[in-house]
Amino acid sequence: DTGVSQNPRHKITKRGQNVTFRCDPISEHNRLYWYRQTLGQGPEFLTYFQNEAQLEKSRLLSDRFSAERPKGSFSTLEIQRTEQGDSAMYLCASSPNRGLNTEAFFGQGTRLTVV
Amino acid sequence: DAKTTQPNSMESNEEEPVHLPCNHSTISGTDYIHWYRQLPSQGPEYVIHGLTSNVNNRMASLAIAEDRKSSTLILHRATLRDAAVYYCITPNSNSGYALNFGKGTSLLVTP
Repeated sequence: DTGVSQNPRHKITKRGQNVTFRCDPISEHNRLYWYRQTLGQGPEFLTYFQNEAQLEKSRLLSDRFSAERPKGSFSTLEIQRTEQGDSAMYLCASSPNRGLNTEAFFGQGTRLTVV
Repeated sequence: DAKTTQPNSMESNEEEPVHLPCNHSTISGTDYIHWYRQLPSQGPEYVIHGLTSNVNNRMASLAIAEDRKSSTLILHRATLRDAAVYYCITPNSNSGYALNFGKGTSLLVTP
């Protein structure tokens, strides 16, 4: 297993366009998380999945943001009608379902630039 | 999550030990203490975690105060590759144990 994989690594889009990012977690990891990181700040939690169920989405930044994990494997994060303020690094992480006594594994992230 | 407090930055010489402090005075009895680090242009990387006892692994040691209100991440011999932002986190069961990163401590290692 090569770890958590995110695609694309970089995305440049025009304001108002929709973008979709993909995350492939470590196989057999039940939990999958999305974070956003802006320059100079720590990652900010957005949403998480337990298998295919999205169990927390109140931290998504607006209704323009949505995420799916249709078969409990890979996940996608979509941003509709992008704004310049959406420019950031979007990180995905996965972990096994072992409560607090476990670590999360992060991908390299997708860097979004909205022009 | 319990609130954590870390210094904004620290500096160390290469091959010397580094002690990175973290205060978490509101930690609950079941909260683990996790440390992650983030190298430039990379995603965060797990370093170590513990509950009450001190912990060691190949990357670092974690010393936890007896009252659990503070902890210290110890890098035994800092290398240039250890230059990163280090985050002390106390996740809980809310939001599926998602991590609340804060701003962390930026560690500079000089030759």
